[in-house]
Amino acid sequence: TQLLEQSPQFLSIQEGENLTVYCNSSSVFSSLQWYRQEPGEGPVLLVTVVTGGEVKKLKRLTFQFGDARKDSSLHITAAQPGDTGLYLCAGAGNAGNMLTFGGGTRLMVKP
Amino acid sequence: ETGVTQSPTHLIKTRGQQVTLRCSSQSGHNTVSWYQQALGQGPQFIFQYYREEENGRGNFPPRFSGLQFPNYSSELNVNALELDDSALYLCASSLRGGEDTGELFFGEGSRLTVL
Repeated sequence: TQLLEQSPQFLSIQEGENLTVYCNSSSVFSSLQWYRQEPGEGPVLLVTVVTGGEVKKLKRLTFQFGDARKDSSLHITAAQPGDTGLYLCAGAGNAGNMLTFGGGTRLMVKP
Repeated sequence: ETGVTQSPTHLIKTRGQQVTLRCSSQSGHNTVSWYQQALGQGPQFIFQYYREEENGRGNFPPRFSGLQFPNYSSELNVNALELDDSALYLCASSLRGGEDTGELFFGEGSRLTVL
């Protein structure tokens, strides 16, 4: 069974601070996706990383896939209240997009 | 707006009852996946349907079953409901083959409460 562990589970920071969320596994994934979910809504895809060592930037968000494709990180620079939400990492195996999700990191950014 | 619609949005059932949840996939998508998200946790994969057949299944008992229709819409059925079945049930549509980007488009979910 493939498992993904996210840390921290909860994070409460002030506007303008930086933060990093980690997603770790003992399994290798063919790709890894990061989603953001707001209350009452389904998860929305932020990014997909496919190649070991890959780094993708989306405005103030930087995503990195580990060299061995077992772990990933999400770094947010100068967090804003609008970044508040549940951040989920999800790994895809060779069977396609049947995703294994991590437990999520609940981020609150206070003004 | 992902174009994926789920119904009902909320429902309450009692233990032992049966429930059917419905999902309309995004136009042009041929694959539907169902996930269960318990409160405070990440979604867990239930199963996936492609071309009206179950294409993969997670660690869920047989009382969780599904259907996909020729128009690619889908149903999730749960029999003999248990208290632990209380969760948000998410449907996700995607395109398999051709221009498959691996991206899932989620609906807003159906929140089931079992009393």
